[in-house]
Amino acid sequence: QKEVEQNSGPLSVPEGAIASLNCTYSDRVSQSFFWYRQYSGKSPELIMSIYSNGDKEDGRFTAQLNKASQYVSLLIRDSQPSDSATYLCAVKGVKTSYDKVIFGPGTSLSVIP
Amino acid sequence: KAGVTQTPRYLIKTRGQQVTLSCSPISGHRSVSWYQQTPGQGLQFLFEYFSETQRNKGNFPGRFSGRQFSNSRSEMNVSTLELGDSALYLCASSKIAGSSYNEQFFGPGTRLTVL
Repeated sequence: QKEVEQNSGPLSVPEGAIASLNCTYSDRVSQSFFWYRQYSGKSPELIMSIYSNGDKEDGRFTAQLNKASQYVSLLIRDSQPSDSATYLCAVKGVKTSYDKVIFGPGTSLSVIP
Repeated sequence: KAGVTQTPRYLIKTRGQQVTLSCSPISGHRSVSWYQQTPGQGLQFLFEYFSETQRNKGNFPGRFSGRQFSNSRSEMNVSTLELGDSALYLCASSKIAGSSYNEQFFGPGTRLTVL
């Protein structure tokens, strides 16, 4: 089982719709969860970080965390063509003080005008 | 505040050569992590440096090494380059190491092509 898995893409949604991106992780003691957006040919850009169970909202983005189910998601409301990118889920554990951040393979999102 | 800078942005080398990549973190950030990104393997962790000490290491051969200087700038070196080392090498900075609540910010990357 891979450490961090994301729903396979590409995901296509019409402009104005809600895009839902999902991520599961295998390390039950993981405590920190991050979503990055990466445009083609660019480096990843941090969108959201979430540490506690529940929802965290920032503008059109909502991150949802369920540690019991080892599941984290990112919702993008009112999707825009400029949201078309690859979204990377990243998880940091606590087995050691300097645990590394593990990235998922990414989900490619295409917002159709 | 200036972001993470990486030099060079593009590099072409031949098999057997060695290469050194440089990363300057965000001002005030003391932790630097390096990642390799390829289409087939995604983003893979190489190593993390904090206070001039390597704090964590990924599953890469010893040909990959790094160091950090007292001003938090970091370099990574790849010796005896192989074709499979062609990738985007990303540097990420964060304020400290060893904290779960530690956001990483990426630089633009160095695109390495090995011929």
